[in-house]
Amino acid sequence: GAGVSQSPRYKVAKRGQDVALRCDPISGHVSLFWYQQALGQGPEFLTYFQNEAQLDKSGLPSDRFFAERPEGSVSTLKIQRTQQEDSAVYLCASSPRNTIYFGEGSWLTVV
Amino acid sequence: KNEVEQSPQNLTAQEGEFITINCSYSVGISALHWLQQHPGGGIVSLFMLSSGKKKHGRLIATINIQEKHSSLHITASHPRDSAVYICAVRGSGGGADGLTFGKGTHLIIQP
Repeated sequence: GAGVSQSPRYKVAKRGQDVALRCDPISGHVSLFWYQQALGQGPEFLTYFQNEAQLDKSGLPSDRFFAERPEGSVSTLKIQRTQQEDSAVYLCASSPRNTIYFGEGSWLTVV
Repeated sequence: KNEVEQSPQNLTAQEGEFITINCSYSVGISALHWLQQHPGGGIVSLFMLSSGKKKHGRLIATINIQEKHSSLHITASHPRDSAVYICAVRGSGGGADGLTFGKGTHLIIQP
């Protein structure tokens, strides 16, 4: 597709369940970012990839959060043993040099 | 960490009014983005600025690097401009820096 694609769009998980969120960036975009956006707040940085290399994971809130991009294209954000405070929209973005493109987000609700 | 402040947080105006949204940041940057987010939708990049002024249709964005301040203006506002407008900055360290986001300005244009 032409844009950044994320799946699933909506996910309801029971507390303690593991979830995996997928991001398909725009083809050829080297940089890929994951952000977390709580209701009514601006997005918060989670992690950054340049090709397959995870260059910055300083925003990941705990060791339950893990991201990978093994072949430098599709990325997966995995959250283990989900907690209620993980409920948020998870946004993926890919970037050429001068701008940035966001996916529609994956809306996670932990119940 | 860069602190990004936006004002106002909420703005309701009548169709046709001239709109100004402000953004200030605390640390030098390499670029500033103005983003638009519709309810339930993804984020769209409106402008990327590193200096001066840019115009696209009814939207104008300016940045003053010395004062660490940017403004987004909307002329002849229309109800379809109703959205959350987010300012985001990229650090001057370059490389792996992700964006730091403001909390957003919720704009409602009434017909």
